Amino acid sequence: DAGVIQSPRHEVTEMGQEVTLRCKPISGHDYLFWYRQTMMRGLELLIYFNNNVPIDDSGMPEDRFSAKMPNASFSTLKIQPSEPRDSAVYFCASSSNEGTYNEQFFGPGTRLTVL
Amino acid sequence: SQKIEQNSEALNIQEGKTATLTCNYTNYSPAYLQWYRQDPGRGPVFLLLIRENEKEKRKERLKVTFDTTLKQSLFHITASQPADSATYLCVFDSGSARQLTFGSGTQLTVLP
Repeated sequence: DAGVIQSPRHEVTEMGQEVTLRCKPISGHDYLFWYRQTMMRGLELLIYFNNNVPIDDSGMPEDRFSAKMPNASFSTLKIQPSEPRDSAVYFCASSSNEGTYNEQFFGPGTRLTVL
Repeated sequence: SQKIEQNSEALNIQEGKTATLTCNYTNYSPAYLQWYRQDPGRGPVFLLLIRENEKEKRKERLKVTFDTTLKQSLFHITASQPADSATYLCVFDSGSARQLTFGSGTQLTVLP
């Protein structure tokens, strides 16, 4: 398996623009997580899905953020409109309900810069 | 709310020595503590996990201890190598929910 795939790897945009981040989880995994990582706040959970259904979105900072998982192999995180304080690395991770441990497998991340 | 504190932001040690990283948590004990490694420009990678009722866990040159009285986990890398240089994250796993709580990490540099 190729692991968790994220695109784009880097995104530079201007304030006010819409940004869409994409994730393909590991095939067969039931859970998908979106995280944001900054120097100041570390790794923060934004939202997670189980079997394509959002379970906990309490970490989503504002209504400007939204996430969808239309099927088991694809998820998006959208920011509209984007602001400079949204600049961070966004990670997608997946895990399996059948695993021995609750370990999560992370993608390479998308580095977002909002000017 | 649960807090995870890792002892220092950065740790430098000499090659061949044992690196010891500390993780402290507040409030209730987790069912598990996980440890991840993160290299620059990459996502975290799972290393190992220790259960609440385990005192110690080993995997190759890695050793993790879990002291529920002190609310502390220690992560050791023996015979450290420059390739061990990375940020190590301590992770709280309640065992009852799928989400994890990550510590801020300790950046380890092993000097040749």
